[in-house]
Amino acid sequence: DIQMTQSPSSLSASVGDRVTITCRASQSINTYLNWYQQKPGKAPNLLLYGASSLQNGVPSRFSGSGSGTDFTLTISSLQPEDFATYYCQQSYTNLGTFGQGTKVEIK
Amino acid sequence: QITLKESGPTLVKPTQTLTLTCTFSGFSFSTSGVGVGWIRQPPGKALEWLVIIYWDDDKRYSPSLKNRITITKDTSKNQVVLRMTNMDPVDTATYYCAYTSPHSYAFTLWGQGTMVTVSS
Repeated sequence: DIQMTQSPSSLSASVGDRVTITCRASQSINTYLNWYQQKPGKAPNLLLYGASSLQNGVPSRFSGSGSGTDFTLTISSLQPEDFATYYCQQSYTNLGTFGQGTKVEIK
Repeated sequence: QITLKESGPTLVKPTQTLTLTCTFSGFSFSTSGVGVGWIRQPPGKALEWLVIIYWDDDKRYSPSLKNRITITKDTSKNQVVLRMTNMDPVDTATYYCAYTSPHSYAFTLWGQGTMVTVSS
């Protein structure tokens, strides 16, 4: 099994801040890495796929980078609607393992 | 417009078998590359991928649950059915079905989820 580890588990930030979330895979997954946003009581929403490709309709303040085992999700200027939990997912082996999530809270 | 909706019991007893149905619209399993997967989320915890079935009936299972899970599709009804045997209180979770489009390696659209509680 490929394990996905996100850091931090949670963070506090202010509107306008630049936020970076890290995801590490237990083995190389090339760029088979997706990022989802989940708000309380709602289903996850795909933000980025293939490590850096923005899903249709997702604001350009979201960006992703990385390959191999280390990946990052960056929100360039945090907006009120961005306070949520973010999950990475590897799709190298099946459409599989998720990270444990990073909760972005209001400072 | 693609939509997915999960349905099934909200409460099951320990040792029972859970059967959930994902009814979808806006796409068809006759399209090459299409897939529908199941993901669950215990209250306050992370997402856990369970299984996926593709247009050609290829099925991939989570290694940790493959002995308890069965997935089938009914192309004529636009449904995917998940069965999980020997339910336990730790299986209490919101269960989501989700769509993956041809040539995609992500779940691009999700159902609203259905909460299942395992308790006697």
